[in-house]
Amino acid sequence: EVQLLESGGGLVQPGGSLRLSCAGSGFSFNNFAVAWVRQAPGKGLEWVSTISGRVNDTYYADSVKGRFAVSRDNSKNMVHLEMNSLRVEDTAIYYCAKARVTATPPDSWGQGTLVTVSS
Amino acid sequence: EIVLTQSPGTLSLSPGERATLSCRASQRLDSSYLAWYQHKLGQPPKLLIYATSSRATGTPDRFSGSGSETDFTLTIASLEPEDFAVYYCQQYGRTFGQGTKVEVK
Repeated sequence: EVQLLESGGGLVQPGGSLRLSCAGSGFSFNNFAVAWVRQAPGKGLEWVSTISGRVNDTYYADSVKGRFAVSRDNSKNMVHLEMNSLRVEDTAIYYCAKARVTATPPDSWGQGTLVTVSS
Repeated sequence: EIVLTQSPGTLSLSPGERATLSCRASQRLDSSYLAWYQHKLGQPPKLLIYATSSRATGTPDRFSGSGSETDFTLTIASLEPEDFAVYYCQQYGRTFGQGTKVEVK
């Protein structure tokens, strides 16, 4: 069974940093891209970032470019999202999801982890 | 950057009725890269349709997708109680539309 499990969410002050992790199992992890998608309270879905399976190509939404960095460790079936210079508007549930390649829609999703940026 | 605009914002229908949701792209889109998701409160999004018209595994056949270039449609032939949710289109695995809420009339 395909599973994705996010961790690392929590409360952080504006300007602070947080590192989210996504653990994958039940599939050939290094053969799939992983995307991060978030949903702010009362808002719709927003794509954040995607990392390819093997060659580590990375892509970012303009709203997080230069502040967030995505990486992966295929030996541990893990993807990480390093979030710096956090803003109140980054408050959201963050989902990780697997996709066949970077330009295709994610087909399996984790349950999400809540990030709250507040003073 | 391609912008996706969904309409209507809210669709109020009764079970058994047909739902037609629209997704319009700001520029021509390769139909291979347009997808639809269903999202319910407290759950992760669920992929329904990919490549404009292909059903994802487990998607009931009352859901169908169509369209080309800049205009795409998700149709739910006859609404079941579990279909009331928010629906999003997405392009190239990246930007989403703002969503259409299908609610009980």
